Amino acid sequence: GAGVSQSPRYKVAKRGQDVALRCDPISGHVSLFWYQQALGQGPEFLTYFQNEAQLDKSGLPSDRFFAERPEGSVSTLKIQRTQQEDSAVYLCASSYPVASGALTDAQYFGPGTRLTVL
Amino acid sequence: AQSVSQHNHHVILSEAASLELGCNYSYGGTVNLFWYVQYPGQHLQLLLKYFSGDPLVKGIKGFEAEFIKSKFSFNLRKPSVQWSDTAEYFCAVTPYSSASKIIFGSGTRLSIRP
Repeated sequence: GAGVSQSPRYKVAKRGQDVALRCDPISGHVSLFWYQQALGQGPEFLTYFQNEAQLDKSGLPSDRFFAERPEGSVSTLKIQRTQQEDSAVYLCASSYPVASGALTDAQYFGPGTRLTVL
Repeated sequence: AQSVSQHNHHVILSEAASLELGCNYSYGGTVNLFWYVQYPGQHLQLLLKYFSGDPLVKGIKGFEAEFIKSKFSFNLRKPSVQWSDTAEYFCAVTPYSSASKIIFGSGTRLSIRP
């Protein structure tokens, strides 16, 4: 079966531009996660969806970051007015349904989108 | 704040050497534990996971990890490494009370000399 896919794989933006990053989770995976990975660091949590509901957005660094998953499958992470500090790899992950708030499976990651803001 | 510490930033070994990568976490409650691997040019892949039961967990490619609750540790081991094990290794924790997010360590880069 297909894994998590992300597009584009690479994105170069000028400072101040808006960008949109897409994630296609594994079919049937209810939970979807976004992470930001700076160079030489581990991924850091941004936000989490269960179906179309955004249940946790505590990791979004500013109100310039916005994520949506309107139909409970594909998700888009949007960054408005990009800044140089937004340069990072943005990872999407999905996992099988969560039961009673407890994680029942590991998260499976996509290849990431490498964003470079000039 | 919850955190994960990986003590070794870069480890260099020769083929057939034994490997142990350290991982400690700071959280007093129940946790789920993971090791992820990122091979050069590839995406993060799950190596092994611990949810409950036997604290010695076996994963893919001959890797294993031992959960020692009293030490808040989840060290990764492999008895004999191969050149193909060259990769970045990430330890990660999900606090049971906050199951929506994984907290990653900063990673250990493993280089294997052929």
